[in-house]
Amino acid sequence: EIVMTQSPATLSVSPGERATLSCRASQSVSSNLAWYQQKPGQAPRILIYGASTRATGIPARFSGSGSGTEFTLTISSLQSEDFAVYYCQQYNNWPRAFGQGTKVEIK
Amino acid sequence: EVQLVESGGGLVQPGGSLRLSCAASEFSFSTYWMSWVRQAPGKGLEWVANIKEDGSEKYYVDSVKGRFTISRDNAKNSLFLQMNSLRAEDTAVYYCARGGWSFGFWGRGTLVTVSS
Repeated sequence: EIVMTQSPATLSVSPGERATLSCRASQSVSSNLAWYQQKPGQAPRILIYGASTRATGIPARFSGSGSGTEFTLTISSLQSEDFAVYYCQQYNNWPRAFGQGTKVEIK
Repeated sequence: EVQLVESGGGLVQPGGSLRLSCAASEFSFSTYWMSWVRQAPGKGLEWVANIKEDGSEKYYVDSVKGRFTISRDNAKNSLFLQMNSLRAEDTAVYYCARGGWSFGFWGRGTLVTVSS
C-alpha cells in the first residue's frame, strides 16, 4: 500500500505571494498523481492530473511538477479564492490514496 | 454540465445498514469508471471503492472489504454503495466521483452518521 505524505500541514501565505506545496509517495507512482482543492463545506475539485496537466478551467497560476516519489503544486500568485485545503492523490496502484492535506491560510 | 447527486445518508446504529445512491447526468455514465470517496468530520479524504464501466471489476479499501458493495445501473445512470455492519468509524460524508484513477467530477456528498 502506497502512503502519501504532504508537507507542510499548514502554509501561511500573503495574497499575491507564491505557494509551494509538497507531496511524497512511499514508492514510485510514476506520473499518476492528481491534486485537488477543497474549500469549507464544498466537494473537492480537481486541479491537476498526470502530475502536471491542468484540468479544464483551472487557472494557469496553478502548476504541478514531479514524478516518481516527489511532487510539487505551485500557486504562482495567491488569490483570495485560493485559500483552501489541497490534497494530492496517487492512482498508480490500488488502493487509491490521498495525502493528509495542506491547508493554505492567509498570513 | 456534469452532475452527480448523492442520496441515502442518515443516522444509523452500529451494526446497521444503509444504501447510498448517486444519480449521474449530463455525461455518458456507462463509459466511465465511478468511485466513492469519504471524508470523516474534520479529516482528510479516503478512497472507498470504485467500479469499472460495465461493473466487471470492483476494488475496495481494506477497511470496508466484506462489508461494503459497490454497484451500478447503467440503464438508470446510477451508482450505489451498499454498506453493511456499519461502525462508528464509517461516519463521514460520502462523495460520488467520476473516474477510477483521478476523480474529475464530484457530487456534493451525503452524510452518514453511525451512532447509538
